[in-house]
Amino acid sequence: NAGVTQTPKFQVLKTGQSMTLQCAQDMNHEYMSWYRQDPGMGLRLIHYSVGAGITDQGEVPNGYNVSRSTTEDFPLRLLSAAPSQTSVYFCASGRTGDSYNEQFFGPGTRLTVL
Amino acid sequence: AQSVTQPDIHITVSEGASLELRCNYSYGATPYLFWYVQSPGQGLQLLLKYFSGDTLVQGIKGFEAEFKRSQSSFNLRKPSVHWSDAAEYFCAVGAGTASKLTFGTGTRLQVTL
Repeated sequence: NAGVTQTPKFQVLKTGQSMTLQCAQDMNHEYMSWYRQDPGMGLRLIHYSVGAGITDQGEVPNGYNVSRSTTEDFPLRLLSAAPSQTSVYFCASGRTGDSYNEQFFGPGTRLTVL
Repeated sequence: AQSVTQPDIHITVSEGASLELRCNYSYGATPYLFWYVQSPGQGLQLLLKYFSGDTLVQGIKGFEAEFKRSQSSFNLRKPSVHWSDAAEYFCAVGAGTASKLTFGTGTRLQVTL
């Protein structure tokens, strides 16, 4: 199993450009999520999904869109990038069920918006 | 809503010395608690987790953590630190069945030789 994969690893954008961060998992996990990591702030939840066709907002959703058309993929879209979105982005996946299930993290995407 | 506090932003210890990183959480029900480590430029690696049962949990790389409900704490410990342990450490709490994690702000560990 490849686990959770993210592409690209690095990206530089200009203000106003759009792009999609890709996330895929091959563990048949129902739950997938996106976090951003900023210095001194830990990781903050952007959006999450509990299954195909179901998404919801996390703590910091503004400026980001998501969709979940398949179990495997959970892309994160920036429609008009802003310098405040410069960050490291992590995707995670896990099972859902009767109790909490461990999440598995991807290697991250480092995004710089100029 | 749950929250996590890591009161120490930066800690420096000598190689071979013992280590304790503090973590306090706020959550109304039984928490699911985690410690992750992140080396510079790398992703997150799970060190250990507490779901239920024995309140002293063992993890990888010689780390352990103790869940203390009365103090709402889940401190990470290691008896003898190695230079390779220098990294950033994150405590996190998971809630309910939605698998959402709330992270602390992290503690950066520096190890002097």
